[in-house]
Amino acid sequence: KAGVTQTPRYLIKTRGQQVTLSCSPISGHRSVSWYQQTPGQGLQFLFEYFSETQRNKGNFPGRFSGRQFSNSRSEMNVSTLELGDSALYLCASSATGNEQFFGPGTRLTVL
Amino acid sequence: GENVEQHPSTLSVQEGDSAVIKCTYSDSASNYFPWYKQELGKGPQLIIDIRSNVGEKKDQRIAVTLNKTAKHFSLHITETQPEDSAVYFCAASKAAGNKLTFGGGTRVLVKP
Repeated sequence: KAGVTQTPRYLIKTRGQQVTLSCSPISGHRSVSWYQQTPGQGLQFLFEYFSETQRNKGNFPGRFSGRQFSNSRSEMNVSTLELGDSALYLCASSATGNEQFFGPGTRLTVL
Repeated sequence: GENVEQHPSTLSVQEGDSAVIKCTYSDSASNYFPWYKQELGKGPQLIIDIRSNVGEKKDQRIAVTLNKTAKHFSLHITETQPEDSAVYFCAASKAAGNKLTFGGGTRVLVKP
């Protein structure tokens, strides 16, 4: 079975721009969660989507948003980028509701 | 909300020795505790997990123990090998929803 895929793997943006990251879950998995990983804050939960609905949300500003499509693929969007948004953005998919399998991540650098 | 503390932050062991990483959590409603291994340039890989109705679980050289009363859980790696070198994360979550709260991570170095 193919694992979780994320595109692009690397991204460089400037402050004020917006960015869209994509995640394709493992086939059959309907839940997709997004996490931000930084050296200072570690791994932090952004949000979770299940059957195209946001089921859980972390403590991030409204500039961070997401959506899920009918094929379970998910996108997250960050608007008005700030330097502090530089991070590894990880997507995880789940079938059973607990076991989450992570993708390789998208490394976002904001200049 | 849930808070997960992980110790130590770095761990250096000789090949063949055991490594132990400890985590504590704050929310007594948490009932699922996975452990992830992250190698350089890769996403976290699930290596073992435990649910609150179980006190211990083993998978070859890896074992996890859970003490719900004390809100502690630990990862034990026996007969360490150089390929065990990585950053290890513990996490906790409740049954409903999939929000994982992670510990700060432990960088493990296995010296040949």
